Amino acid sequence: DTGVSQNPRHKITKRGQNVTFRCDPISEHNRLYWYRQTLGQGPEFLTYFQNEAQLEKSRLLSDRFSAERPKGSFSTLEIQRTEQGDSAMYLCASSLGVGGDNQPQHFGDGTRLSIL
Amino acid sequence: RKEVEQDPGPFNVPEGATVAFNCTYSNSASQSFFWYRQDCRKEPKLLMSVYSSGNEDGRFTAQLNRASQYISLLIRDSKLSDSATYLCVVNARNTGNQFYFGTGTSLTVIP
Repeated sequence: DTGVSQNPRHKITKRGQNVTFRCDPISEHNRLYWYRQTLGQGPEFLTYFQNEAQLEKSRLLSDRFSAERPKGSFSTLEIQRTEQGDSAMYLCASSLGVGGDNQPQHFGDGTRLSIL
Repeated sequence: RKEVEQDPGPFNVPEGATVAFNCTYSNSASQSFFWYRQDCRKEPKLLMSVYSSGNEDGRFTAQLNRASQYISLLIRDSKLSDSATYLCVVNARNTGNQFYFGTGTSLTVIP
């Protein structure tokens, strides 16, 4: 399967702990996005990479969140000092884009985070 | 005002019915439009892109109305397997490369 891969699928942790998620995009896709989704809502944009450069970050994203894509391939999303409000599905998507033209995004299965 | 707005539904329709969803967007510079389908506790999956002239894929027809800033999705001859949440997605050149999602419209097709 050459789709977008995310792991872990599920993460349960205590409040205050740090968590890290990984996303492996479709190999030829240069753009990678992280989203958060809660029940009854659409995916909410967190951050976006073009190759290894993090080009955009949501204003809603607190300093406890950080993302990297060191070699322009896989990406990690870290949440420090987790809070109960961080409980959500974290989705990664990738796409092929040139300039302002964007092809549709393809999503991974997501990582479901539960904070106890 | 939200970038993308959808009626959350739920829409409950009998098998074989025709159902239509609308989605409005606020940024007049929006240039790319998509419909995604999301099953319960699964990831969104691309259903179809929406082109300026409208486009059809089997039982699904998408339309774009730039003047009124809305897109629509029409599903004909509904199947039980069409039950899902349908997400409207919009991308605008002047907001970088962010994709904005609606909250989704829930559809249940009833036998």
